[in-house]
Amino acid sequence: QVQLVQSGAEVKKPGASVKVSCKTSGYTFTGYYIHWVRQAPGQGLEWMGWINSNSGGTNFVQKFRDRVTVTRDTSISTAYMELNRLTSDDTAVYYCARDRGGWLFDSWGQGTPVTVSS
Amino acid sequence: EIVLTQSPATLSLSPGERATLSCRASQSVSSSLAWYQQKPGQPPRLLIYDASNRATGIPARFSGSGSGTGFTLTISALEPDDFAIYYCQQRTFGGGTKVEIK
Repeated sequence: QVQLVQSGAEVKKPGASVKVSCKTSGYTFTGYYIHWVRQAPGQGLEWMGWINSNSGGTNFVQKFRDRVTVTRDTSISTAYMELNRLTSDDTAVYYCARDRGGWLFDSWGQGTPVTVSS
Repeated sequence: EIVLTQSPATLSLSPGERATLSCRASQSVSSSLAWYQQKPGQPPRLLIYDASNRATGIPARFSGSGSGTGFTLTISALEPDDFAIYYCQQRTFGGGTKVEIK
């Protein structure tokens, strides 16, 4: 079955970087985009951007573009999202999600809590 | 950018009652709208796509309708497992509606 398994919780200081991994299984990795969505404590879902798992092309919301790096390793069916220059506003649970087509997220990772605190 | 506005923010109902959730888009999205359910500590789950199609494994008590700028998610008779937060999505997400036990 389709599975997305994310890396564990992180605690970072302001100004640091965090890298979250999303290991997939149960389907052809290069056949689907991976999206990244975050959720601040007690808040709603915020779509961040996507990576084309085949070409490696990416598209992220303007507010993240200058400090996010998203990559993938097709040999191990894993996507990565690195967010730089962290602030307390980046404290959130970060999710990866598979796009089955048409921006429909049919499988999700379990979420990676990231806490930014001095 | 299309903005999705959900209402009400909170819906207080009892098990067995009918829930009606609304999602309004700032401009027409045709039928390209999805609904997700999220329970505490869990990732969202896809319920409805293309406004009215149930995703795999979703019970028939969940139904979606609408097109253009106005959409509705209906839960015909709430079960205890249905109390959760519901989000509409067309690329970005709406702010969510919490369905809580009255």
